[in-house]
Amino acid sequence: AQSVTQLDSQVPVFEEAPVELRCNYSSSVSVYLFWYVQYPNQGLQLLLKYLSGSTLVKGINGFEAEFNKSQTSFHLRKPSVHISDTAEYFCAVSDLTSGTYKYIFGTGTRLKVLA
Amino acid sequence: EPEVTQTPSHQVTQMGQEVILRCVPISNHLYFYWYRQILGQKVEFLVSFYNNEISEKSEIFDDQFSVERPDGSNFTLKIRSTKLEDSAMYFCASSWQPTYNEQFFGPGTRLTVL
Repeated sequence: AQSVTQLDSQVPVFEEAPVELRCNYSSSVSVYLFWYVQYPNQGLQLLLKYLSGSTLVKGINGFEAEFNKSQTSFHLRKPSVHISDTAEYFCAVSDLTSGTYKYIFGTGTRLKVLA
Repeated sequence: EPEVTQTPSHQVTQMGQEVILRCVPISNHLYFYWYRQILGQKVEFLVSFYNNEISEKSEIFDDQFSVERPDGSNFTLKIRSTKLEDSAMYFCASSWQPTYNEQFFGPGTRLTVL
């Protein structure tokens, strides 16, 4: 079965510093990969997605992620964070063995940007 | 920009009562999903629905749960007899065609079972 591991439950970082949120997945087949952001008391907003093609994916709000098949990773990065980036970030993999491509989510990483 | 909507935003109910959570997916989407997020935990898949029938369900989706698309726009999740452990945020999602298309999520319904 596929699974997603987000190694860091919380990441504190100072404003304007770079950040990397780690995501590893386990799968023996091709996958689609996603990062979603959840602001307090809100729903899930898509940051970026990898379906195929270039392994470096750019998303909204200055975020990017790199798909590394050999390391089965899809880490999220931002070169300079803002206070407004404080939120919970979820990595998800789409199960392509499932006829409905359901998502399997990681446990989330709470990013706290400090002034 | 089209979006998935959910009502109510917050539902409080007594244990043993039936609840219906409502979702309006994006109009030209064909695949529909419910996910659940218990407070402080990860988002979990419940069920997927296509062509007016369940296409896949998780172990969580037992006989207490049912889904329906009663008309051309709404997609509902019914919990027949709620338990305390059903307290969670429930997200509806939809997709036009899962291949090469992401799922769009609604804002969620927070269900509190007392």
